[in-house]
Amino acid sequence: QQQVKQSPQSLIVQKGGISIINCAYENTAFDYFPWYQQFPGKGPALLIAIRPDVSEKKEGRFTISFNKSAKQFSLHIMDSQPGDSATYFCAAIQGAQKLVFGQGTRLTINP
Amino acid sequence: EPEVTQTPSHQVTQMGQEVILRCVPISNHLYFYWYRQILGQKVEFLVSFYNNEISEKSEIFDDQFSVERPDGSNFTLKIRSTKLEDSAMYFCASSVDNHNQPQHFGDGTRLSIL
Repeated sequence: QQQVKQSPQSLIVQKGGISIINCAYENTAFDYFPWYQQFPGKGPALLIAIRPDVSEKKEGRFTISFNKSAKQFSLHIMDSQPGDSATYFCAAIQGAQKLVFGQGTRLTINP
Repeated sequence: EPEVTQTPSHQVTQMGQEVILRCVPISNHLYFYWYRQILGQKVEFLVSFYNNEISEKSEIFDDQFSVERPDGSNFTLKIRSTKLEDSAMYFCASSVDNHNQPQHFGDGTRLSIL
């Protein structure tokens, strides 16, 4: 119940294309869903986050879509750029406690 | 922009030795966390800390682990007797409060147990 399942494990997208990463959860008590971007040798950096009372949140080229009834959420990266190549983690949290991370998606944007 | 800083960036230790990983959280943050990431795997929660007490800990955080905030700025993770399987990246994180505020991560300490 504490798991967050993330797919795909790896993703290759052409420059300018749309990258889509999906996550699913079971614990309905989760109330905050952040996405983190991690470059090699660096810590996870917060990219964008959403609360379950919102169905979509957009920041620049990054959009989170949230489906509360299906217990799924996804990250869309529009106009993907080579600099977006990184590992992306979805996560979920209940209150002040631990972040539960998905397994990660290694995204490669081909120039 | 304020950031979480961790030292050292890489620690090599013999199995059975004690190791202390250090973190300086963002100055106005009140909640502190340790996570670890075994190579190629997802980030896993170890422990959360607030008001000089452990708030929650995972099954990984056994009696060999301890955390401390020795002064107003540092937050440390101690592993008393390291094992080979403790080899991982250890990340410190902090957040300003406990109401769905983002956790900000440091760049981690790579711990290698020989």
